[in-house]
Amino acid sequence: QKEVEQDPGPLSVPEGAIVSLNCTYSNSAFQYFMWYRQYSRKGPELLMYTYSSGNKEDGRFTAQVDKSSKYISLFIRDSQPSDSATYLCASTSNQFYFGTGTSLTVIP
Amino acid sequence: DAGITQSPRHKVTETGTPVTLRCHQTENHRYMYWYRQDPGHGLRLIHYSYGVKDTDKGEVSDGYSVSRSKTEDFLLTLESATSSQTSVYFCAIGGTGLEQYFGPGTRLTVT
Repeated sequence: QKEVEQDPGPLSVPEGAIVSLNCTYSNSAFQYFMWYRQYSRKGPELLMYTYSSGNKEDGRFTAQVDKSSKYISLFIRDSQPSDSATYLCASTSNQFYFGTGTSLTVIP
Repeated sequence: DAGITQSPRHKVTETGTPVTLRCHQTENHRYMYWYRQDPGHGLRLIHYSYGVKDTDKGEVSDGYSVSRSKTEDFLLTLESATSSQTSVYFCAIGGTGLEQYFGPGTRLTVT
C-alpha cells in the first residue's frame, strides 16, 4: 500500500466550476500535508501546505485535512483554464511521499 | 525554477552503461533531493542530502548512488543503467522548512 493514494483522474470541468481533488494517506505519523501543481513537462511547484487537521485558504484555493479519516482535499473555486495541470498531494514524516497526481483540465 | 538547473535535460543511453545526472543550485539551500517520476507511481524519492557529504537513501534507492562534494552540486549516478530506470528525474532543493523547489527535470531513456 502506497503511503499516499490519489485518484489519477483525468478530471475535466467547465470554467468557473468548483473543483475537488482528494487523497488518502496511511501513515498516522504524517503531520504536514502539501499540494503541488505541475504543468506539462515542468517540475512541480508548491501551492500550499497545512499542518495537522483543519482548513487553509489561499485565494481561490482551500486545503483541507481530516486526520480522523486520513483524508486530504484541495478545493479550487472559480476554476480557470490556467488551472489546467496535474495536482499532486504529498505528506512527510522523515521523508516526503507523493500521490500519483490528478490531471485537471478546465474547459473555457 | 528557483535557481536550479539540471543537466543533461534529455539523455538516451544503452543498458549497462553508467550515467550521471547533475543538479546545480544557486540558492545555497541545505537540502537537495533526487526524485523519479513514472506513470502510475508518481514522484518517488531516490536519495537526498542534508549537507556536503551527508546523504541518505529514499524510497527507491536501489541501483542509484549520489554524491555531494559542494553545497551547490548534487550528482545522481546509475552505475549500470537498466530499462527500468527509464524515467523523468527531478532534482529539488529546500531549507529546513517544508518548501521544496523543483528543477526542470531530466528525461532519461535506457534502451
